[in-house]
Amino acid sequence: NAGVTQTPKFQVLKTGQSMTLQCAQDMNHNSMYWYRQDPGMGLRLIYYSASEGTTDKGEVPNGYNVSRLNKREFSLRLESAAPSQTSVYFCASSPGTAQETQYFGPGTRLLVL
Amino acid sequence: AQSVSQHNHHVILSEAASLELGCNYSYGGTVNLFWYVQYPGQHLQLLLKYFSGDPLVKGIKGFEAEFIKSKFSFNLRKPSVQWSDTAEYFCAVVSFSGNTGKLIFGQGTTLQVKP
Repeated sequence: NAGVTQTPKFQVLKTGQSMTLQCAQDMNHNSMYWYRQDPGMGLRLIYYSASEGTTDKGEVPNGYNVSRLNKREFSLRLESAAPSQTSVYFCASSPGTAQETQYFGPGTRLLVL
Repeated sequence: AQSVSQHNHHVILSEAASLELGCNYSYGGTVNLFWYVQYPGQHLQLLLKYFSGDPLVKGIKGFEAEFIKSKFSFNLRKPSVQWSDTAEYFCAVVSFSGNTGKLIFGQGTTLQVKP
């Protein structure tokens, strides 16, 4: 049982480049989330998807877009990367809502030069 | 806006010492509370959670937490830590806006246990 998987594990970008972070879950969960983790700031919600076909902004959505491709997959796109987006990105899923336990992926370390 | 505050950013203990990590939240309504742990090189995983009922919650690996509503606190405790408890610990609370809830995390506490 893979749970939540993320690709890539590590990426280096130059300022202005674009990239998509991929996330997939095999637990048949309805809700999926993208967080970023920065030192001393915990995890902050970027975007979430309560169900297939819906997405909503979280605490720090600027500079990001998301796509809930199907029930399994939820991607995060940086259209024009900035050094401030250097972070560790975590994808998570939960059966129904944020009230329930969330299951996290291994994270993607992104460095923007 | 709702917030979660963890008092200790970095804690260093010797094995067998007792642990208490502080967590306070600002939300005044009904809350769902969580502690997550991230062991080195591993995913974040649930340590324990409180939704309702007995305010003393027991989790995995001998951890427990007590919800004190009057103090807006949900402190994590363990009577005797082990080297394998070295990890980063996150307190989190579900913040409700209408019918939508979002998980708000604290800043995290890094625990280092010396053998």
